[in-house]
Amino acid sequence: NAGVTQTPKFQVLKTGQSMTLQCAQDMNHNSMYWYRQDPGMGLRLIYYSASEGTTDKGEVPNGYNVSRLNKREFSLRLESAAPSQTSVYFCASKPGQGFFSPPNEQFFGPGTRLTVL
Amino acid sequence: TQLLEQSPQFLSIQEGENLTVYCNSSSVFSSLQWYRQEPGEGPVLLVTVVTGGEVKKLKRLTFQFGDARKDSSLHITAAQPGDTGLYLCAGARWAAGNKLTFGGGTRVLVKP
Repeated sequence: NAGVTQTPKFQVLKTGQSMTLQCAQDMNHNSMYWYRQDPGMGLRLIYYSASEGTTDKGEVPNGYNVSRLNKREFSLRLESAAPSQTSVYFCASKPGQGFFSPPNEQFFGPGTRLTVL
Repeated sequence: TQLLEQSPQFLSIQEGENLTVYCNSSSVFSSLQWYRQEPGEGPVLLVTVVTGGEVKKLKRLTFQFGDARKDSSLHITAAQPGDTGLYLCAGARWAAGNKLTFGGGTRVLVKP
């Protein structure tokens, strides 16, 4: 069991370039999440998918799009990267469908460190 | 101002000392979680507390949920270098669709 995997681990982009961050989980979890982590600000939710086929905006969705490709995979796309998107991005998953289904524990991937110049 | 305020932001202590990290809010949470994150890795859940006044122990770590479910604390007894990391609290509120809101984190350094 690899848990939650993310690729790439590091990426440097120029302003205006696009890229897709990949996330996959092998735990048969229903819900998947994308967060960004900035110093002193904890993790902020960008988008989430409560189940295969559904996606919803989180706290900071502007400049991002997501795709729940299948139950295992949930990708995050930056269409036109900006320096304000420099951050560490974490994908997470949890067994239940949606936020109200217990348990509420989320399992996190190792993160992608993105720098936008 | 963040919904969940953690204090202190940084804590450096010697091995064997005790420490307490606080997580405070003016909002009521249905549950609160504590995660630990090591450099280059994602957060890992330590504990979930759901009842006001609840106390949970995990070896040398003691977690408490406030009676009013607005605050929580993490106490580490006889800290060890292996306790070094970023400690994050995260709360879920029914009014916010039970999404997790994270505090800013407390970076703990335990020196040998």
